[in-house]
Formats: sequence, C-alpha cells, structure tokens
Amino acid sequence: GAGVSQSPRYKVAKRGQDVALRCDPISGHVSLFWYQQALGQGPEFLTYFQNEAQLDKSGLPSDRFFAERPEGSVSTLKIQRTQQEDSAVYLCASSPVGNQPQHFGDGTRLSIL
Amino acid sequence: SQQGEEDPQALSIQEGENATMNCSYKTSINNLQWYRQNSGRGLVHLILIRSNEREKHSGRLRVTLDTSKKSSSLLITASRAADTASYFCATGYNNNDMRFGAGTRLTVKP
Repeated sequence: GAGVSQSPRYKVAKRGQDVALRCDPISGHVSLFWYQQALGQGPEFLTYFQNEAQLDKSGLPSDRFFAERPEGSVSTLKIQRTQQEDSAVYLCASSPVGNQPQHFGDGTRLSIL
Repeated sequence: SQQGEEDPQALSIQEGENATMNCSYKTSINNLQWYRQNSGRGLVHLILIRSNEREKHSGRLRVTLDTSKKSSSLLITASRAADTASYFCATGYNNNDMRFGAGTRLTVKP
C-alpha cells in the first residue's frame, strides 16, 4: 500500500530479550520519526531521521534503545534487554522534507512479560 | 516531554451536537497541528494552522489559534458516531520538534 507500514503489529517478549521493530515509510519521504505511546497517553517522541542521518535521539529513554535507517528508507528500532516498562505501542511516522504533516503507521504493540 | 495539553481529557456528546476541544502550549511555535487516532490505529493528520493564521476550516472542522494566549481550539460540527476517537494537538517550531499532548477522548453517542 501507499501508507507507512509497521511490523510486527504485535510482539510479546520475555523480560531480558531483545526485540526489533520495523518501519517502512512512504516512498520518497525524507523524514522519519519514532514515538512511544503508553496506554491513554499521547505519543512521546523518541528519535528523528532525515534520510539516513539520525539528527535527534534525545527522546530515547536509555542506551538499551537503538534506531537505525541505514539506506534512508526502512528503519528499525531495537530494544535490548527489554524491561516491563518498555511495554507500549511504538509508532513510526514519515513526512516529506520540510515542515509537513506526519503520516503514521498503525504501530507495534509491544508487551513484555 | 509533551508540550501541548488538551482539555478536556474526555468528552461525551450526542450525535448531531458540536464538540469543542482545546489545546494549550508553552513555547513559541511555527505551526500547530491536530491529529485524530482511532482505537488501535495510528494517528491521522486533520489540519495544520500556521502561527500567522487565526482560523482555518476543513469540512466540519474549524480550528482557531490564539498565539497571545498560546492556545488553540478544534471544533467538530454536527458530530457523528464515526467521529469517536482520540484527538491530539501537536506543536513545535520545526518538523523534528513537534510534540503531542495527552489527547481528548471524544465519544459520540448515536
């Protein structure tokens, strides 16, 4: 489809495991964002890419969180040694260059047991 | 941290009534955006209003912006059951510093 695609839609992991969440942005979109959304809350900014460059990672909660976008298209958010407080919906969004509205995927719901 | 704050946190109305949601923010902005989120889905962009604009319309949506009070309102007229969703404002100066509030959960009863 033409929208932002995220996979998997649901992920269950045991505490201490590593997880990888994938985002396929809209083709040609320069900017890519990752957000964390807790139940009943708004999206919290995690990190921002412009093409392959990670220009802002100030929202990553700890060094267990790592994001990459090596070819400037698909992005992966990796969480190492997961903890229960990492349980949330992780949203990816993309936008064209400039100050444009963001297009969101439907998110990955991560549950850490 | 979240910049915008929506008010009220929850709103329940009957179909056909108007719904008004408010957003307050703290720092200078370049534009303010409203998004909608249906349960279990991603956010969908509704409308963008620039800092030099005071009012904007899109279909049944009307957005106002008062930069002196650092506040915005979203009005949905003639609401429908399908308008049931969470509504978020996002504020910032550049695209990469847009931050979302906690949202208003709107329920429209048929």
